[in-house]
Order: sequence, then structure tokens, then C-alpha cells
Amino acid sequence: DQQVKQNSPSLSVQEGRISILNCDYTNSMFDYFLWYKKYPAEGPTFLISISSIKDKNEDGRFTVFLNKSAKHLSLHIVPSQPGDSAVYFCAAKYNFNKFYFGSGTKLNVKP
Amino acid sequence: GAGVSQSPSNKVTEKGKDVELRCDPISGHTALYWYRQSLGQGLEFLIYFQGNSAPDKSGLPSDRFSAERTGGSVSTLTIQRTQQEDSAVYLCASSSIAGVYNEQFFGPGTRLTVL
Repeated sequence: DQQVKQNSPSLSVQEGRISILNCDYTNSMFDYFLWYKKYPAEGPTFLISISSIKDKNEDGRFTVFLNKSAKHLSLHIVPSQPGDSAVYFCAAKYNFNKFYFGSGTKLNVKP
Repeated sequence: GAGVSQSPSNKVTEKGKDVELRCDPISGHTALYWYRQSLGQGLEFLIYFQGNSAPDKSGLPSDRFSAERTGGSVSTLTIQRTQQEDSAVYLCASSSIAGVYNEQFFGPGTRLTVL
């Protein structure tokens, strides 16, 4: 039973436009959410996170939104750049350090 | 740059053989995680080590899987009598503290193929 779901396996966006990556979760106990970015043949790298007490966190071109009532998380990238092309994973945790990851969304930013 | 390293990067083995996967965490990181990613799936938690505490083994899929962490540093994930469904990328990650806002640093992974 997958507690964190990314229903879009891929997304294609034009350079300069907004990329919106979505993530849904089922466990209302999750209290911390993260986005990771993964390039081929590399491990995932941390991108941005948000605590459940917030509904928005911004870091440069990256903003994460949390809608607890909908159990929905999204990552906005504005403006998108070709170097943003990668697989993006959302993750959630509660209770110590057990993290639950989604299956990833492959973002392609076209020049 | 002392990031998380894993070896081997690729491993091809025959069904029924045992394999050992190694992880060198970032020096000083007390928490270490193993995950696996099967084709088209998310990262599946396997096991978590924190300092000298008993590891959280709740994610290990069967008793063919085991892991050790010697001296609070290097970790080895062992899969006995490998099966084809064990084929996946095995990722190791470490973090500095076991708190709420810790960030995990991942290694590049070991791609295991069981023929």
C-alpha cells in the first residue's frame, strides 16, 4: 500500500514556463514533507521541504505548497530551465526517521 | 568531496547466489538508511540505523535480507539466495541527526540484476 503517490510519471514543459509537480498522500499523521531531485546515475538530492504546520515554503525558483485537508503536496518551479530536467520524488515522514517516497515524476524542460 | 559512496555500482548475479552491497556514509553522520527502487516504483524503505540503537528493520521484505553497520560507519546490505524480483537499484542515504528536520544525503546506488 503506497502512502505517497505521484500519479504523473512524466511532465513536459517549455523553458521559462511554470512546472507543477503533484503528490498525494494518504496518511494524515505525516508531519514533514520533502522534494528530492534525481539525475540519471546519481542518487536523489534534497530540494525543498515543508513542515505540516505551514502551507507554503519558497526557495528561489522553487515553491512547495501543502494542502492538508486534501492531503496534497505540489512543487512549483518558476521559471523552468532545461537544467531542471530530472526525476522529482516527493517524500513524507512521521515518527522518527521513516520516510515514504512516491514513484517519481520525470520532468522534461524543453529549450 | 566526501559524499555517500556505494559499491559496486552495478552487480549482475545468478538466481540463488548471495550478494553484498556496501555503503560508506558521510563521515560523522549517525543515521543511515537503505532503500530500493524497483522499475517504475518509488523508493522503498528497507532498514534504518541510528547510532548505537537497534536498527529499524521493518522494511526488509524477507529474511533473505539483512544489514549490518560496523563501528557506526560502513554498512553492508546482504541478500541471500537472490531472486529475480530482487532486481532493483539499492540506494543508501545518511543524515547527521535523527531529528525532525534532517536532510538525507543519498549515494549513487547499486543496480542489482538477478538473472
